Amino acid sequence: DTGVSQDPRHKITKRGQNVTFRCDPISEHNRLYWYRQTLGQGPEFLTYFQNEAQLEKSRLLSDRFSAERPKGSFSTLEIQRTEQGDSAMYLCASSPAGGSPLHFGNGTRLTVT
Amino acid sequence: ILNVEQSPQSLHVQEGDSTNFTCSFPSSNFYALHWYRWETAKSPEALFVMTLNGDEKKKGRISATLNTKEGYSYLYIKGSQPEDSATYLCAFMAGGFKTIFGAGTRLFVKA
Repeated sequence: DTGVSQDPRHKITKRGQNVTFRCDPISEHNRLYWYRQTLGQGPEFLTYFQNEAQLEKSRLLSDRFSAERPKGSFSTLEIQRTEQGDSAMYLCASSPAGGSPLHFGNGTRLTVT
Repeated sequence: ILNVEQSPQSLHVQEGDSTNFTCSFPSSNFYALHWYRWETAKSPEALFVMTLNGDEKKKGRISATLNTKEGYSYLYIKGSQPEDSATYLCAFMAGGFKTIFGAGTRLFVKA
């Protein structure tokens, strides 16, 4: 069990650029979640997958955000035409079947200048 | 829309004080309630998984209760220590396993 890994740890980009983050979950976990966290707030739900199927995407997300999990293993989160309001910590988590808790990665901190 | 509320937002206590936090969540479509501890510069770590109405869980000085009918859970810390300083998150897992977090309670324990 190597834990959930996220890449990169930090990303600085200029407004209008596209960015892509990667998450590698714990290998036997079939559920994968993406959250966004800003200062003083808890993790805000973005989307989640059961194997390769994306089950739900937050209605708060604009069409600039897209996530994939093509083979039911790693996942990518892409933000197109970044805005300063996208600056946040992006957290990925995975969990096995049932009501087991989520295992989090260390996050990707995005700064949009 | 699933809404998870936590109170208080922050809490400052002296070492040795006992404290408790509240998490309220929807009383329908319940699957599980999780409590996490989140220290600065680290990832959230699970404390408790609670699934049944009336559940009580305990780990050392920390315990939690669950009331699914009225949609609330309490987390208790007995005899707070400085190392308990962290943000405590609760998360509501609905049927279908969508998991929504509260904003957290930030605990500061002064020696």
